[in-house]
Amino acid sequence: DAKTTQPPSMDCAEGRAANLPCNHSTISGNEYVYWYRQIHSQGPQYIIHGLKNNETNEMASLIITEDRKSSTLILPHATLRDTAVYYCSPYNQGGKLIFGQGTELSVKP
Amino acid sequence: NAGVTQTPKFRVLKTGQSMTLLCAQDMNHEYMYWYRQDPGMGLRLIHYSVGEGTTAKGEVPDGYNVSRLKKQNFLLGLESAAPSQTSVYFCASSYSRAGGAGELFFGEGSRLTVL
Repeated sequence: DAKTTQPPSMDCAEGRAANLPCNHSTISGNEYVYWYRQIHSQGPQYIIHGLKNNETNEMASLIITEDRKSSTLILPHATLRDTAVYYCSPYNQGGKLIFGQGTELSVKP
Repeated sequence: NAGVTQTPKFRVLKTGQSMTLLCAQDMNHEYMYWYRQDPGMGLRLIHYSVGEGTTAKGEVPDGYNVSRLKKQNFLLGLESAAPSQTSVYFCASSYSRAGGAGELFFGEGSRLTVL
């Protein structure tokens, strides 16, 4: 199983872009990178995923390096409601999704 | 649309008691998962299932058993509860697509305390 490394915490000013890095240097060629977030004690919420190319949806953008060893989740205009723990998780075709420790993002006014 | 429903949401057990957590999904998903989350920690995978009648071990399977007799249900059992199993348990499900499963949909969690 691929391992991930994320900074334990980050701060971001409201309205600014939040850039959350993830290192997944042992990721396999067929593993997708998934991002989830967990607000308070709620169940995690899916944000975005990608394999090789950069991806964008209504919530965020995902930038994956060419060697696929790291990725960055970008929240373009962070709001107070984006305060949460963000998890980066490589995911293989076998169905096994492992979460790392995540990054606790605090968006401040 | 109920999505993923966990039952019960709260439970207090005494050491040595047994119980079953029920996860039900109404989205016709192939994949189902059980995670536990301890205070200040990330989620750890207990067991998962890639289809009806199949189960597989995750990161922390000891002390738990699971069954997937029906596609929509995934049961997590504790045969003899221990204080170390005090945790919040999350169930999740996912659809199947080319290349594996899609994104996971999570339930609201079940808070279990073992005294």
